[in-house]
Amino acid sequence: KAGVTQTPRYLIKTRGQQVTLSCSPISGHRSVSWYQQTPGQGLQFLFEYFSETQRNKGNFPGRFSGRQFSNSRSEMNVSTLELGDSALYLCASSLSENQPQHFGDGTRLSIL
Amino acid sequence: GENVEQHPSTLSVQEGDSAVIKCTYSDSASNYFPWYKQELGKRPQLIIDIRSNVGEKKDQRIAVTLNKTAKHFSLHITETQPEDSAVYFCAATTNTGGGNKLTFGTGTQLKVEL
Repeated sequence: KAGVTQTPRYLIKTRGQQVTLSCSPISGHRSVSWYQQTPGQGLQFLFEYFSETQRNKGNFPGRFSGRQFSNSRSEMNVSTLELGDSALYLCASSLSENQPQHFGDGTRLSIL
Repeated sequence: GENVEQHPSTLSVQEGDSAVIKCTYSDSASNYFPWYKQELGKRPQLIIDIRSNVGEKKDQRIAVTLNKTAKHFSLHITETQPEDSAVYFCAATTNTGGGNKLTFGTGTQLKVEL
């Protein structure tokens, strides 16, 4: 069974731009969660989608948004990029709540 | 919200020794506690997890213990090997209101020396 797939692996953007990241979950997994990983803040929860609905949201500004499609694939969008948005963005999928979450390789976003 | 503290931040052991990483959580409603291993440049990999209705779980050289009263849980690695060197993260989650929201500890850099 294929794992969680995230695209692209690397992105370089400049301040003020916007970016869209993609995540394809493990087949059959309906829950997709997004996390931001930085050396200073560690792993922080962004949001979670289940059956196309946002079920949980972390403490990030409204510039961070997401959505989930009927095939459970999810996208995350960050608008008006800031230098502090440079991070590894990880997606994790699971069958349902409180089930093991499996991570993708992440998208490394660098803001210049 | 939930807060997870993890100690130590770095841990160096000799090959063959045991390693113990400890975490505490704040939300008594938390009921699922996974542990992840992250090697440099790679994805976090789930290595073991425990639910609040279980006190201990073991998988070969890895074990996790949970003390609900004290709100702490620990990862135990026995007979450590060089390939165990990585950053280990504990996490906690509760399904109050539904959903998956992992709150992670700050990580422990484990180094196994030959």
